[in-house]
Amino acid sequence: GNSVTQMEGPVTLSEEAFLTINCTYTATGYPSLFWYVQYPGEGLQLLLKATKADDKGSNKGFEATYRKETTSFHLEKGSVQVSDSAVYFCALTNGQTGANNLFFGTGTRLTVIP
Amino acid sequence: NAGVTQTPKFQVLKTGQSMTLQCAQDMNHEYMSWYRQDPGMGLRLIHYSVGAGITDQGEVPNGYNVSRSTTEDFPLRLLSAAPSQTSVYFCASSYDGTLRAGNTIYFGEGSWLTVV
Repeated sequence: GNSVTQMEGPVTLSEEAFLTINCTYTATGYPSLFWYVQYPGEGLQLLLKATKADDKGSNKGFEATYRKETTSFHLEKGSVQVSDSAVYFCALTNGQTGANNLFFGTGTRLTVIP
Repeated sequence: NAGVTQTPKFQVLKTGQSMTLQCAQDMNHEYMSWYRQDPGMGLRLIHYSVGAGITDQGEVPNGYNVSRSTTEDFPLRLLSAAPSQTSVYFCASSYDGTLRAGNTIYFGEGSWLTVV
């Protein structure tokens, strides 16, 4: 089956600290991998994605590399800002149903303090 | 361009009542879906549709009905609300249902539902 496991939060960091949020997955076939971000009171926004092994997705200073050998897609940012405070979701699709359905991790809440 | 619009944003229901959560998109997307978000469980797929007239069940479909009579709209019906259906509901859409690179899934802002 399909499943996503991500590190539990909450995570609290000081501004300009380095961020890593771990994500590992289980899937058949060749999944596409995503990171979504949810700011307080809002819906989910796509942060970055990777559709094949060794691809690196990047956006807004965040990046994640699709590692098939370790079935991982860890999210990193070199220097976080207060505005990065949000809940981050790792997710995958693999088209088993023939459709673009997402399987999500449980989410990691990040709080960045000045 | 409004994107994915959900209504209502907040709703309180009594056990046994029925209601419909509305979802509309103006991007001419073929694929639409509904997820529920519960604490500690991430988002789980309820129902999805790959085009008008076509719907299918996701991971947690029990207690919910959907229909897709137009490309733009994908309402979610709660047939007889139960406290276990207290959740935040998200509608999502994408251009089509395939995994092509660039086929981004867009989410609405969510509907907070409480069943008492």
